[in-house]
Amino acid sequence: SQQGEEDPQALSIQEGENATMNCSYKTSINNLQWYRQNSGRGLVHLILIRSNEREKHSGRLRVTLDTSKKSSSLLITASRAADTASYFCATDERGNEKLTFGTGTRLTIIP
Amino acid sequence: KAGVTQTPRYLIKTRGQQVTLSCSPISGHRSVSWYQQTPGQGLQFLFEYFSETQRNKGNFPGRFSGRQFSNSRSEMNVSTLELGDSALYLCASSSGFLAGGYYNEQFFGPGTRLTVL
Repeated sequence: SQQGEEDPQALSIQEGENATMNCSYKTSINNLQWYRQNSGRGLVHLILIRSNEREKHSGRLRVTLDTSKKSSSLLITASRAADTASYFCATDERGNEKLTFGTGTRLTIIP
Repeated sequence: KAGVTQTPRYLIKTRGQQVTLSCSPISGHRSVSWYQQTPGQGLQFLFEYFSETQRNKGNFPGRFSGRQFSNSRSEMNVSTLELGDSALYLCASSSGFLAGGYYNEQFFGPGTRLTVL
């Protein structure tokens, strides 16, 4: 079963614009991670945010976490064509020793 | 460091056959997890091995099994293949839990694309 639900399912924006995608989850977590997957390939880890953190930055990426609302958002600034991919959140549920992935957001950057 | 490798990259089998997929983790990583990815179900956790022991298992039938060797390399086996087993099978390695029980980042291989006819 899916723990995380991403929103929107698909997003198309012009190159240079910012892209925001959201993830909601159901249970208490230790941490939340974001991954990127280019078409038909393996996933690449982007960023990890712990449950006691509220915001984290990595290059053009900004992640926020609101544990009271059980939600997270991933912001990609100044998008590039190479950012075209699917983005997944993954939660490390407390007491459940595995990562559970969300349904993903398909991001398309229009040159 | 070399990344996670998976073999074979593509596989075509017929219903009823069995298949074995292989995964070599990043050197020094002791945890290997397997996932099944399909358009309908998304990414589903199969199982995780740490130091040759299965630590966790997802909700898959017993036809799906795995093992891990002393060098951390892992294999998964699917017996009596069904059409619904067609999927991208992804292997991921990590160093295991961070201190305090936090699950740290996973490094994924390119996957094995299994087609069952």
